[in-house]
Parts: sequence; structure tokens; C-alpha cells
Amino acid sequence: QQQVRQSPQSLTVWEGETAILNCSYEDSTFDYFPWYHQFPGESPALLIAIRPVSNKKEDGRFTIFFNKREKKFSLHIADSQPGDSATYFCAASMDSNYQLIWGSGTKLIIKP
Amino acid sequence: EAAVTQSPRNKVTVTGGNVTLSCRQTNSHNYMYWYRQDTGHGLRLIHYSYGAGNLQIGDVPDGYKATRTTQEDFFLLLELASPSQTSLYFCASSGTPNTGQLYFGEGSKLTVL
Repeated sequence: QQQVRQSPQSLTVWEGETAILNCSYEDSTFDYFPWYHQFPGESPALLIAIRPVSNKKEDGRFTIFFNKREKKFSLHIADSQPGDSATYFCAASMDSNYQLIWGSGTKLIIKP
Repeated sequence: EAAVTQSPRNKVTVTGGNVTLSCRQTNSHNYMYWYRQDTGHGLRLIHYSYGAGNLQIGDVPDGYKATRTTQEDFFLLLELASPSQTSLYFCASSGTPNTGQLYFGEGSKLTVL
């Protein structure tokens, strides 16, 4: 079944803490998992992405953890900053299909 | 920097009205997409195209038509707009199908009264 579930719907953390955003999927043929972020009034933009050959992808303070067996992946934002406040979308797709399947988004608020 | 431009940015119409949303990309990308974004639903794909003259149906195509006239231009047509089509519409382009980065336009806010 082609669906990506994202949680929580909203998340508030204090500046300096690690924010953890979660996604799960059911279709085992998915092989590409990006995270996009969207600041208020702006369009979505790619943040970081992973393929199942790896179980971890880092880019600065942003890390994707991927668990193929459990069909879950998460975005960890270390040392959260108020400027990280945005809506984050996970997604999944496969090479044989043009469609990105999107999660419903997590609204992240970082309190100073 | 990839560039995707949408117009109009804001549009208000009445039920039954005719609306065309325009999208132009200057990235030389083959793939273009139209999404709608609604609170609680994330991004939902309406139509997409992998080249001039090509059109593919997305997840929520009912009530929408689309046309890709050139590699650069992709249009979304609502011929009998309904209030349920009130939404924020995004156009996007990519150089490869979905395993490459999507570049989004600024969005078009449509209100159907």
C-alpha cells in the first residue's frame, strides 16, 4: 500500500534540544526517502535524503535514521535553533514510479 | 539556482468559474508537477508531465485538466471551479523522476467562493 505516515502532527522543543520527527511506510519497494522543509509563506525545499543501502545519513545538524526491517525512518535535528521552526515533510518513492508519496507534515516549533 | 515561476500568485473566483494557473521553469528539466497543499493532507499530486505534449494523472485529478505546451510551460486548468478546489497550488520541476530534487514554485493561492 502506497502510504507514508508521519508523526507527530506538531512538535515543540526548546532551543538546543534534539527534535525527532518520525515516518513509516508499508510498500517495501520504496527506495528513496527525502525530507523537505517548508518555512511559513514559502515553498517546500529539499533538506536531506537517504536510500536504503544506508541506515544513516548526516548533513550538519540533520540526520536521517533508517530502519528497513521496521519500515521506519526519522529525522533528528540536533541543537535545535529557532530558525529551524518550519513544517517538515517526509516522502518516499521508487525508481520505477514518478510519484513521490508525501507524509502529512510535522509543524516544528523551536522555543528560545 | 533552479527557477520555477507561477502565476497568478493569488486568485479569487466564483463557483463555476474558469481558472488557469501557469508555471514556467528555466531549469531545462523534463519533469513537471502540479500539487495542491491543504492543512492535514500535505502535498497531493494532481497531474505531472515528463515532456512537452505529455500528461500523466496524479492522485487527485478530478476537476482538473493540465497541458504541457513546451518543456518550460505547464498549465493547470479548472474549467468549473468548486469551493473544494480552494487551496494552495504548487508547481515543481525535476531533472529526474522523483528520485531527484524537486524544485518548487512560489505557490498560487486559489479561493473559490
